[in-house]
Amino acid sequence: DSGVTQTPKHLITATGQRVTLRCSPRSGDLSVYWYQQSLDQGLQFLIQYYNGEERAKGNILERFSAQQFPDLHSELNLSSLELGDSALYFCASGTGSGYTFGSGTRLTVV
Amino acid sequence: AQRVTQPEKLLSVFKGAPVELKCNYSYSGSPELFWYVQYSRQRLQLLLRHISRESIKGFTADLNKGETSFHLKKPFAQEEDSAMYYCALRPLSSGSARQLTFGSGTQLTVLP
Repeated sequence: DSGVTQTPKHLITATGQRVTLRCSPRSGDLSVYWYQQSLDQGLQFLIQYYNGEERAKGNILERFSAQQFPDLHSELNLSSLELGDSALYFCASGTGSGYTFGSGTRLTVV
Repeated sequence: AQRVTQPEKLLSVFKGAPVELKCNYSYSGSPELFWYVQYSRQRLQLLLRHISRESIKGFTADLNKGETSFHLKKPFAQEEDSAMYYCALRPLSSGSARQLTFGSGTQLTVLP
């Protein structure tokens, strides 16, 4: 157990739908990072939150949004889902020494 | 902007042979380099940080600033080393926006 918890582990949904992925960071970590891993695009940084505030944005689509709550857990919201959004979504938390990744949420859009 | 290049998508070696996974980077500032390993599309696990200069599972990597490289090496590959390896970079600076930039990964297969 890495200390970073992601739920759900698997998600199957239809095109056009909306889903929410959840991440609880390791105890004491203020930063949460979201990454998308797809077969053709590799690991792409989506967005970072630090202590409740958005700190950096990567290749995140406008249909996607995220937030970090006062208890530091984070949610990634994906809407108007397309087949191409099928991927593994990883969350990582970290401090100065490095990052710890969760086990990911495998999203399949059918 | 920072970029990490892993030129080999696939690499196969025989058990007991040396292995080197290449990683080159471009970044105008001071970088911090990492190697992560992923077994069967599971969680990414930190293998090495260049700052700590440690050896994990027999793997080592040296940061070569002149060649902007951070190649991962192991003198004798084992079958359990078969996995996907990612090189990653983040700025070595203060501040909270320090996301990792990953290379495209190298799938290592160690043959019996």
